Amino acid sequence: QQQVKQSPQSLIVQKGGISIINCAYENTAFDYFPWYQQFPGKGPALLIAIRPDVSEKKEGRFTISFNKSAKQFSLHIMDSQPGDSATYFCAASILMNRDDKIIFGKGTRLHILP
Amino acid sequence: DGGITQSPKYLFRKEGQNVTLSCEQNLNHDAMYWYRQDPGQGLRLIYYSQIVNDFQKGDIAEGYSVSREKKESFPLTVTSAQKNPTAFYLCASSIGLGKLIQPQHFGDGTRLSIL
Repeated sequence: QQQVKQSPQSLIVQKGGISIINCAYENTAFDYFPWYQQFPGKGPALLIAIRPDVSEKKEGRFTISFNKSAKQFSLHIMDSQPGDSATYFCAASILMNRDDKIIFGKGTRLHILP
Repeated sequence: DGGITQSPKYLFRKEGQNVTLSCEQNLNHDAMYWYRQDPGQGLRLIYYSQIVNDFQKGDIAEGYSVSREKKESFPLTVTSAQKNPTAFYLCASSIGLGKLIQPQHFGDGTRLSIL
């Protein structure tokens, strides 16, 4: 129930195309859903995040869509660029029993073809 | 600039040796975390600490130990009991318990290999 399932494992998109990464969760108590971007040899960096009271959040070319009833959320990268090539992690956070842990998906390796 | 500093960037361990990975943050964050990253496995939580002098085991704590003597520092020791230590180790911090918005900030990792 604590898992966050992320798909696909890897993704290749043409420059200028739309990249879509999906995540699903089981625990309805999750209250914060961030996405992280990681370049090789670097730590993940927060890209964009959403709360469950909002169905969509957009920051530049990056959009999170959130479907509370389906317990799914997705990252859309519009006009994908070669510089977007990285590994993307979705995550979910819950505060319970004094724990303050964040649950990560297993990641999607995105490659944008020039 | 505020952030998380991990050192060294690369580390080699001999058989039977304990090694310690350093993590320092100047973000004034209460919570700190250690993750292990292996290809295709995502991020797995080793240990975390909500406050000085207190820490909890994560999902894969066996073969690792930590200390939290100062708010800014959360070193990780990979002991000889960890039979497969080769991985990319990431330290992270967040504001802490009870905060509704709790993004995690990561360091740039330490890559540990076996000699």
